[in-house]
Amino acid sequence: DQQVKQNSPSLSVQEGRISILNCDYTNSMFDYFLWYKKYPAEGPTFLISISSIKDKNEDGRFTVFLNKSAKHLSLHIVPSQPGDSAVYFCAADSGGSNYKLTFGKGTLLTVNP
Amino acid sequence: DTEVTQTPKHLVMGMTNKKSLKCEQHMGHRAMYWYKQKAKKPPELMFVYSYEKLSINESVPSRFSPECPNSSLLNLHLHALQPEDSALYLCASSQEGTNYGYTFGSGTRLTVV
Repeated sequence: DQQVKQNSPSLSVQEGRISILNCDYTNSMFDYFLWYKKYPAEGPTFLISISSIKDKNEDGRFTVFLNKSAKHLSLHIVPSQPGDSAVYFCAADSGGSNYKLTFGKGTLLTVNP
Repeated sequence: DTEVTQTPKHLVMGMTNKKSLKCEQHMGHRAMYWYKQKAKKPPELMFVYSYEKLSINESVPSRFSPECPNSSLLNLHLHALQPEDSALYLCASSQEGTNYGYTFGSGTRLTVV
């Protein structure tokens, strides 16, 4: 049973426009959410995170929105750049002494020049 | 030093071979992880070490044997692997718990022939 779902395997966006990547979760115990970016043949790189006590976190061109009632989060990238082309993973953590992150399947973002 | 270093980057081994993957971090992180990632799939947790002790084993077959010699090093010993074990093996580290975000290494691309 997938507890973290990224229903769009891929997304194509024009350079300069907004990219919106979506993530849904089912486990109400998750209280911390992270986005990772992964280039081919490299390990995932931490991008941005959000605690369940917030509904928005912003870092430069990246903003993550959390809607707890809908169990939905989204990553907005604006403006999108060709270097943003990568696979983006949503991950969730239920906190406590549980060190386990649960990952979504990822969304391949392609930003076209 | 804000990196997790994994060696080797690529490894080809036969099914009767014994090999080891190595991971090193000098960020003072007390939790270290092994993940396995197959193509177009999210990373799957294998093992977690917390304060140099194995705290999570996600029912990984015994042909994978982790070792944490000290707080900076994490090894994964491989023996009698199967071709289906071919994957990208990722090491990660974090402060206590995952709320500080993982730092991933670049991974070892393992091919079992």
